[in-house]
Amino acid sequence: KQEVTQIPAALSVPEGENLVLNCSFTDSAIYNLQWFRQDPGKGLTSLLLIQSSQREQTSGRLNASLDKSSGRSTLYIAASQPGDSATYLCAVMDSSYKLIFGSGTRLLVRP
Amino acid sequence: ETGVTQTPRHLVMGMTNKKSLKCEQHLGHNAMYWYKQSAKKPLELMFVYNFKEQTENNSVPSRFSPECPNSSHLFLHLHTLQPEDSALYLCASSPEPGRTIETQYFGPGTRLLVL
Repeated sequence: KQEVTQIPAALSVPEGENLVLNCSFTDSAIYNLQWFRQDPGKGLTSLLLIQSSQREQTSGRLNASLDKSSGRSTLYIAASQPGDSATYLCAVMDSSYKLIFGSGTRLLVRP
Repeated sequence: ETGVTQTPRHLVMGMTNKKSLKCEQHLGHNAMYWYKQSAKKPLELMFVYNFKEQTENNSVPSRFSPECPNSSHLFLHLHTLQPEDSALYLCASSPEPGRTIETQYFGPGTRLLVL
């Protein structure tokens, strides 16, 4: 059974810092890995999608990497801003096309 | 309206009540999903519909009854719920379930409290 773990559960950093969020999964048989952002009490917004054959994806200040063989992904946020404060969720699409989510990392960027 | 909308945004109900959650997508997608997000637990997939047909029921109790009259609308009918069913219920859509290059688009959710 696929399990997705995110570390740390919460993170507080001063504005301007570069930071890394971690995601690990137990079964490497995935179609893709996705990072989402969730603001309090809101739905999810897709940030990046990495196909299983890819190693990384970039969007603006965000860069996500995927090492399928080791079951790991990282989300790198450069020059963090208070507006980046949110919960970041990692999800893998498993062999039956279902998204399996981690519990998320709650990020606070202090002004 | 654009994207995925959900109504109501907040709902309080007693254990003997019957209520329905509504989801509508304006993206021309063919697949729709219900997820449950409980405090301190990962999002859990509940149901998947593809071209109005249910293709996934993730061992959800029968007190949750989904309905998909067309590819744009999805309902979740609730009856005799338990307090542990209190959660954020999220609806999502995607072009088709097996499109691995496409993400899912989520609505804002319905915050449900069962008393």
